Amino acid sequence: KAGVTQTPRYLIKTRGQQVTLSCSPISGHRSVSWYQQTPGQGLQFLFEYFSETQRNKGNFPGRFSGRQFSNSRSEMNVSTLELGDSALYLCASSLVGSGVDEQYFGPGTRLTVT
Amino acid sequence: SQKIEQNSEALNIQEGKTATLTCNYTNYSPAYLQWYRQDPGRGPVFLLLIRENEKEKRKERLKVTFDTTLKQSLFHITASQPADSATYLCASPTRNAGNMLTFGGGTRLMVKP
Repeated sequence: KAGVTQTPRYLIKTRGQQVTLSCSPISGHRSVSWYQQTPGQGLQFLFEYFSETQRNKGNFPGRFSGRQFSNSRSEMNVSTLELGDSALYLCASSLVGSGVDEQYFGPGTRLTVT
Repeated sequence: SQKIEQNSEALNIQEGKTATLTCNYTNYSPAYLQWYRQDPGRGPVFLLLIRENEKEKRKERLKVTFDTTLKQSLFHITASQPADSATYLCASPTRNAGNMLTFGGGTRLMVKP
């Protein structure tokens, strides 16, 4: 079966702009999580969606938001971009997001803010 | 607050040897730990999950141990190969965030031929 896909793969934005990233989970997976990965902070959990509802949220400012559609596809949005938002944004899907489910990660979107 | 830590220094070993990576956790007792492999520019790939009541788990050349007394998990790759070169991440459930994962910083493994 097809893996997790993320679009776009690369993005360059300037400070103050906003950006929307997209994630298509594996078919049948209902939980989608988003992570930010930077060299300094590593992989940090942003939020998790299940059945179109945000179920868990990490410690990120309100500029970071997301949503999930009825087909489980998810988008995340970052408004008023800052230089520190430059990172690899990873989406992961799992069957029900129970934690013991293995998470299947997409290839990520590399965001560069200039 | 809960912490999960891995040796940030790269581990360099010779092909054929056993690689051992360490994951330490503090201020909590996770019910399980997961291990992932990440190659440059790619998303992590799940390798193994070990529960707190399991001392050891094996999968082909991989072995994971979970010592709740030492608050530590060890990840072993036996008969290592250059293709095993990657960053290895451990992860545990996040307290007060359902069962979502908190990841360690990862350890980069380099296997030299």
